[in-house]
Amino acid sequence: AQSVTQLDSHVSVSEGTPVLLRCNYSSSYSPSLFWYVQHPNKGLQLLLKYTSAATLVKGINGFEAEFKKSETSFHLTKPSAHMSDAAEYFCVSQNTNAGKSTFGDGTTLTVKP
Amino acid sequence: EAGVAQSPRYKIIEKRQSVAFWCNPISGHATLYWYQQILGQGPKLLIQFQNNGVVDDSQLPKDRFSAERLKGVDSTLKIQPAKLEDSAVYLCASSGDHNEQFFGPGTRLTVL
Repeated sequence: AQSVTQLDSHVSVSEGTPVLLRCNYSSSYSPSLFWYVQHPNKGLQLLLKYTSAATLVKGINGFEAEFKKSETSFHLTKPSAHMSDAAEYFCVSQNTNAGKSTFGDGTTLTVKP
Repeated sequence: EAGVAQSPRYKIIEKRQSVAFWCNPISGHATLYWYQQILGQGPKLLIQFQNNGVVDDSQLPKDRFSAERLKGVDSTLKIQPAKLEDSAVYLCASSGDHNEQFFGPGTRLTVL
């Protein structure tokens, strides 16, 4: 069985400051890990993915995430938040070879001017 | 490249009525997913198809939910009869060779 825990349901940062969205996973195998973003009234969009290659993964819009097997974590970071980053973020674990996907409950990111 | 299409975008029904959702995946994508996203929660996988075969439907409430993917392209998800707790956004996604899922805009269902 696999599970995903997003440790913060809400994160609020000021524009221009760093962003950290935390994700821990539990899996009996080496999963693929993803971060998706969901803006209001828009579909889910892939930010980045880890599939057992480099442990530091760079995504779109300046986001990156680091896979740490020893900590079973896949935290999402960005050096400097922009107002347009305000959205819901989901961490996803997937059994390799297009297996079942498990979503975390999401983290709402608010960016203050 | 056209994205994943879903219809309708919104649906309001009364409990015990039936409803159906339609999804057209990205051309050539073999894998199709249906998710249920209840307000304040992450999407929950209901069913996953590989071409026209079911890969995983372990979380599909089979007493009231059904889904099919005839000819391995379009898919429909049906609820019969609907309950109040079925109010949610129903998301369809498809993926090709690289496991990245592409999501449609979703159908927002309200059951009164």
